[in-house]
Amino acid sequence: GAVVSQHPSRVICKSGTSVKIECRSLDFQATTMFWYRQFPKKSLMLMATSNEGSKATYEQGVEKDKFLINHASLTLSTLTVTSAHPEDSSFYICSARPRTGSSMGYTFGSGTRLTVV
Amino acid sequence: DAKTTQPPSMDCAEGRAANLPCNHSTISGNEYVYWYRQIHSQGPQYIIHGLKNNETNEMASLIITEDRKSSTLILPHATLRDTAVYYCIVLKTSYDKVIFGPGTSLSVIP
Repeated sequence: GAVVSQHPSRVICKSGTSVKIECRSLDFQATTMFWYRQFPKKSLMLMATSNEGSKATYEQGVEKDKFLINHASLTLSTLTVTSAHPEDSSFYICSARPRTGSSMGYTFGSGTRLTVV
Repeated sequence: DAKTTQPPSMDCAEGRAANLPCNHSTISGNEYVYWYRQIHSQGPQYIIHGLKNNETNEMASLIITEDRKSSTLILPHATLRDTAVYYCIVLKTSYDKVIFGPGTSLSVIP
């Protein structure tokens, strides 16, 4: 089945630094990927839609200059949290769907737990 | 996409069937019902989806009422590993972006 790999699974960074999270579709091509964040005991919140070869579409209230998304190939999207602060600490999750041949909806990565200290 | 309503939490005894309800009274004729679940500290996992017929796969069964205004996800023999938050989502197509509500937190009890 479709597999989405997310890396790293957890990261600790210092306040003010930037962190890059990778989301790869391992056995399929994905023109669209989605990025979510999740706070403890809360549901997933959609941050942005990542489109291969074009600019990402951000949900209302999400700072595009803070959360940089790059989708340079059909199998890789990256989320960079720039100038991270403790309030950016969260669980970040990506999802992707095969371009063709699947009605099963999106496959999700296993998530990245970011802690900013 | 139509909004869904789910109970915030449920308990189920291990080995028994878990029946998770979902209301989607404003669903349109061309919208599908999708179910995902999220085990603690993991990414969500697709379970099953349907349009109007009942569906079954190796994980669960989905029962959709004739008027399509509600559905029930059935885990036939719940195990401790089924403890998770279950999300019922209505989508026009599988290409639609998935917006998660609060879901139902299912606890399977030994």
